[in-house]
Amino acid sequence: QVQLQQSGARVLRPSETLSLTCVVSGGSLSGHYWTWIRQPPGKGLEWIGEVKESGGTNYNSSLRGRVLLSVDMSMNQFSLSLKSVTAADTAVYFCARVSFDAAVGGLKFWFDPWGQGTPVTVSS
Amino acid sequence: EIVMTQSPEIVSVSVGERVTLSCRTSENIRSNLAWYQQSPGQAPRLLIYGASTRANGVPARFNGSGSGTDFALTIHNLQAEDFALYFCHLYNNWPRHATFGQGTKLESK
Repeated sequence: QVQLQQSGARVLRPSETLSLTCVVSGGSLSGHYWTWIRQPPGKGLEWIGEVKESGGTNYNSSLRGRVLLSVDMSMNQFSLSLKSVTAADTAVYFCARVSFDAAVGGLKFWFDPWGQGTPVTVSS
Repeated sequence: EIVMTQSPEIVSVSVGERVTLSCRTSENIRSNLAWYQQSPGQAPRLLIYGASTRANGVPARFNGSGSGTDFALTIHNLQAEDFALYFCHLYNNWPRHATFGQGTKLESK
């Protein structure tokens, strides 16, 4: 069964670049989109973007220009880079696999499985 | 962008009771809705996809229903481990974008 393993907690200063990795085990990156989501303290979930094994990406427009998602097929992992961080980027960052069903009734998507989450703190 | 509204924000229930959580969307999304459960300090866990299909390993007391713009997650015979945060989720295929409801917190009465 596919499992996602994220790197450990991060503490950054404002204006630095956040780099996170999600390692996929028990399966391949091929055939799926892989996504990042974040959750500020005490708040809801915000979608960051997604990346496919081909390198194709889609981003949340609110972060476009600061975020870059990539894949490393040789290491079976995908990564997030967020530049020029501020305190507003303090959150737990999750990685997940995008799954879908194209059966009768239209396309359906969901995120499963998820990584365990990486707490990220931005503070001066 | 499609807006998702969950209600109530917080609901207090007791073990053994039944509870229904609501999620409404601003546009018709057919059955393209998922539900997740998040316990404190944990990652979200998929419960329901396609509005009504239980994910692998999810107990039968969790039921998803609805289509179009009105959706519900009903939990029967509530157990202690069910006290958590619940999110509904839409992943739009074009433009590709994910949206989550603001969440409903299920707490012990």
